[in-house]
Amino acid sequence: DTAVSQTPKYLVTQMGNDKSIKCEQNLGHDTMYWYKQDSKKFLKIMFSYNNKELIINETVPNRFSPKSPDKAHLNLHINSLELGDSAVYFCASSQIKAQYFGPGTRLLVL
Amino acid sequence: KQEVTQIPAALSVPEGENLVLNCSFTDSAIYNLQWFRQDPGKGLTSLLLIQSSQREQTSGRLNASLDKSSGRSTLYIAASQPGDSATYLCAVYDTDKLIFGTGTRLQVFP
Repeated sequence: DTAVSQTPKYLVTQMGNDKSIKCEQNLGHDTMYWYKQDSKKFLKIMFSYNNKELIINETVPNRFSPKSPDKAHLNLHINSLELGDSAVYFCASSQIKAQYFGPGTRLLVL
Repeated sequence: KQEVTQIPAALSVPEGENLVLNCSFTDSAIYNLQWFRQDPGKGLTSLLLIQSSQREQTSGRLNASLDKSSGRSTLYIAASQPGDSATYLCAVYDTDKLIFGTGTRLQVFP
């Protein structure tokens, strides 16, 4: 059984479009995260939610809006996509500090 | 501001060698340190988690040590195999989020 899953796996879209990435975890964890891995493979946190409440927002542009309908789901909506948004986006969840990552969503903005 | 550095950036070794990957961090006030493995085009797999009160953790051929006072961790891989080829990432849990290093890209050739 997949612990942390993301959809879609790949996303190719045009500049200016709006897109969403979904994340679900079946580990019963309270905390979920979104990370961005850039072209140089550097991973950086974007957001963190604890029990549906936003606790970390790492100066991410307002075009990115996370939404947590319940503690098992954390979705990421991106408005007005830009070329620089092309990256791999990872969702993760944790309970006692150890984090478990999803397989990633590869976003390419043309 | 916490910064995590990994040395070397890339490593190529023949099968069977024992090797050490290094990770250093600037602020010793961490909750724990986690080592991950990332295969090309894939997500992150957690290898070892060391709590701040621990000195080392072992799993199979892997051994990770932590020296908080000097801001260092090492990942020791015994009897390396071609299947160990991947990028290895260390990350420190700083207050409420993981901060990743830049990774070591390992290639083990037969």
